[in-house]
Amino acid sequence: GENVEQHPSTLSVQEGDSAVIKCTYSDSASNYFPWYKQELGKRPQLIIDIRSNVGEKKDQRIAVTLNKTAKHFSLHITETQPEDSAVYFCAASAGGTSYGKLTFGQGTILTVHP
Amino acid sequence: DTAVSQTPKYLVTQMGNDKSIKCEQNLGHDTMYWYKQDSKKFLKIMFSYNNKELIINETVPNRFSPKSPDKAHLNLHINSLELGDSAVYFCASTQGGGTEAFFGQGTRLTVV
Repeated sequence: GENVEQHPSTLSVQEGDSAVIKCTYSDSASNYFPWYKQELGKRPQLIIDIRSNVGEKKDQRIAVTLNKTAKHFSLHITETQPEDSAVYFCAASAGGTSYGKLTFGQGTILTVHP
Repeated sequence: DTAVSQTPKYLVTQMGNDKSIKCEQNLGHDTMYWYKQDSKKFLKIMFSYNNKELIINETVPNRFSPKSPDKAHLNLHINSLELGDSAVYFCASTQGGGTEAFFGQGTRLTVV
């Protein structure tokens, strides 16, 4: 089955700095890669996603890159703000019989210091 | 309007008891899931239902029994609760694969 590794497990940055979180996946059939943000005591919420036919996607301060050959994808947050502090999860999903099942990375606790 | 809602939000119970968690989605999605988030925040799929049919069962102990009376509802019944079952359980839904999963607010289960 799919295995997703995520690094780092914790990340501490100063407000205004950039933050990068990296993930690798094992199943070459995976074709959908979402990133979720989970604030303390809240549900995971999608912040950005990318499909395997795209190498990069950007949404304001957030960008995701995908390298299918190397089976890794990364989340980039620029101009970080204290409200970006949360746990971030990458995930991978294959089409077909996986029916949208998400395999998550271990999570990254991001702390943005004012 | 809450897209995916689950009840209860908190559940404290003794070992050996049986409990249920209910989930409902009003998004018209055809696929629903149960995920378990352990104390280290790791999220792992347990079950998936597509149009009321079980399609994924990730080697979950058979003390856990999901039921989907219709495609908008997916409930989780747990028999003979154990200490290790303590976790946050999230319900989620999608419209097929490769699309955004919407999560419920979670149910924090504590077994004492």
